[in-house]
Amino acid sequence: GQNIDQPTEMTATEGAIVQINCTYQTSGFNGLFWYQQHAGEAPTFLSYNVLDGLEEKGRFSSFLSRSKGYSYLLLKELQMKDSASYLCAVLDSNYQLIWGAGTKLIIKP
Amino acid sequence: AAGVIQSPRHLIKEKRETATLKCYPIPRHDTVYWYQQGPGQDPQFLISFYEKMQSDKGSIPDRFSAQQFSDYHSELNMSSLELGDSALYFCASSLGVGGPYEQYFGPGTRLTVT
Repeated sequence: GQNIDQPTEMTATEGAIVQINCTYQTSGFNGLFWYQQHAGEAPTFLSYNVLDGLEEKGRFSSFLSRSKGYSYLLLKELQMKDSASYLCAVLDSNYQLIWGAGTKLIIKP
Repeated sequence: AAGVIQSPRHLIKEKRETATLKCYPIPRHDTVYWYQQGPGQDPQFLISFYEKMQSDKGSIPDRFSAQQFSDYHSELNMSSLELGDSALYFCASSLGVGGPYEQYFGPGTRLTVT
């Protein structure tokens, strides 16, 4: 079966750095997406990785290791508005998005 | 920039009624996806359309049907509604299918079945 694992919830302090991990086992791999979703709102695209390595985009970076079936999203200089759920999603061999359950990130002052 | 439009934003129906949700993709996007998201759950893929043809099918109940029209907008028709159908329904659009195309999500329709 297809499986994506992320921690259910994480807590971090404003101004700090947090790393949200995602491991996956899917039938084929055509890339991994990270989305941010505030409660009651639509998911918004953060990043896409298809090759191994780190992709940096401002305060957010995403890393991929295909051999390990592993990715992480790194958020720096945390702000209160970063409190949201972060969804990891993998594009499988049929180009269908397989979603993780999301990690709820709580930012404390 | 234009975004995905969904209507209505909120809908309240009674059990056994029908509901129609509409989605207007970003201009020039040819692929539409429908998702159902329950409280605290990840989005569950229902169905997708590319160039007005069904391109993929997920966990869409037989009571639901959908189509994409010539202007690329899509409608999700839900019949014999059940309490468990209460959820946020997202529509997303992308340019192209069968590739790593970023999906742009609409604001969602919150359906409450009483």
